[in-house]
Amino acid sequence: DAGVIQSPRHEVTEMGQEVTLRCKPISGHDYLFWYRQTMMRGLELLIYFNNNVPIDDSGMPEDRFSAKMPNASFSTLKIQPSEPRDSAVYFCASSLGDSFNQPQHFGDGTRLSIL
Amino acid sequence: GNSVTQMEGPVTLSEEAFLTINCTYTATGYPSLFWYVQYPGEGLQLLLKATKADDKGSNKGFEATYRKETTSFHLEKGSVQVSDSAVYFCARTSGGGADGLTFGKGTHLIIQP
Repeated sequence: DAGVIQSPRHEVTEMGQEVTLRCKPISGHDYLFWYRQTMMRGLELLIYFNNNVPIDDSGMPEDRFSAKMPNASFSTLKIQPSEPRDSAVYFCASSLGDSFNQPQHFGDGTRLSIL
Repeated sequence: GNSVTQMEGPVTLSEEAFLTINCTYTATGYPSLFWYVQYPGEGLQLLLKATKADDKGSNKGFEATYRKETTSFHLEKGSVQVSDSAVYFCARTSGGGADGLTFGKGTHLIIQP
């Protein structure tokens, strides 16, 4: 079975550019999560969706970050304009049901470097 | 807010040694508790979970028991292998009606032959 698919795997761009990260959740999963992983702060939840609707975006660091889920099989995380401090590994995860009982399945991540 | 604290790494052990990675969580609500493992270049994978007090999660020789009295969920394995080298994350459900997870900072485990 296909797992969570993220693209690109690596992204290197200059500060000020727009960055778009993509995620395809596991088919049938109704929850989708975006996380950011850095050495300093560990793994942080940015935003999550339930049935394509954003439920909690309190972890989004600032207005430069936005996320959408136009349908059940696709989500994007956009940074505009990007800054060097946005450099991190960004993970997408999906689950069938809420986190209390159901495991989250993670993609392999996008390693983002902003120069 | 809710938080998870786990022991700092890296933890370096010899093959066949006994492993303990400590994890404690804030006691707000009735969270589910998890251990995830991350191998180099990959995303996190669920290792085991426990959803209520005194539950024991187990998988691949790893175990962890949900201890409400000490707010702990320590990960143990009786005999580690080189292939267990990875980063291990303790997590709890975030609570407060939120469906996400709150993760510890991760413990890097290195097993030497």
